[in-house]
Amino acid sequence: DAKTTQPPSMDCAEGRAANLPCNHSTISGNEYVYWYRQIHSQGPQYIIHGLKNNETNEMASLIITEDRKSSTLILPHATLRDTAVYYCIVRVLSGQGTALIFGKGTTLSVSS
Amino acid sequence: KAGVTQTPRYLIKTRGQQVTLSCSPISGHRSVSWYQQTPGQGLQFLFEYFSETQRNKGNFPGRFSGRQFSNSRSEMNVSTLELGDSALYLCASSLGSFPNQPQHFGDGTRLSIL
Repeated sequence: DAKTTQPPSMDCAEGRAANLPCNHSTISGNEYVYWYRQIHSQGPQYIIHGLKNNETNEMASLIITEDRKSSTLILPHATLRDTAVYYCIVRVLSGQGTALIFGKGTTLSVSS
Repeated sequence: KAGVTQTPRYLIKTRGQQVTLSCSPISGHRSVSWYQQTPGQGLQFLFEYFSETQRNKGNFPGRFSGRQFSNSRSEMNVSTLELGDSALYLCASSLGSFPNQPQHFGDGTRLSIL
């Protein structure tokens, strides 16, 4: 079962910041939070990941609360091409490997 | 740098047949994972291979199997196909089998069962 909860949909105006929330209240101390997005008919695209510190890359910023029970993905200046399903994922350790446990994600619609 | 390549992109089979899907990971990546995506169940983890060894397996029947070759390329096999196996099958690769190394996905093989 997914270990994350996200709103099913969000809207954002082009050029504005998109803030996508995620709840992962049962996350374990050694589990990472990952964000991916998927545009129709393509494979999921990696965005960013973090353990407990805030992270930033060329695509987005990830803000993780101090208790690690929730996080927010920030797209600083959303464009129409950012319209996609965004998945917040906890990377779980299982056996000798890992797995990404996907939930239903948030459908972000960016409009002009 | 080339991304993850999956072949074929589309495949049509009939019930009872078997199918083999192929995945070429990003150069230098040694871990390959497979996922199934359906409208009803979403994205579900199938299995993970690292250095030719299966390290992790999801909750799928034994009809679903895989293997990894010494060059890290991977194949997934589904035997005795059922209508419910119609799905997008995604392959993802990463440098290693560690939680802090991101997986990068291919665009998948869309399998349709008639």
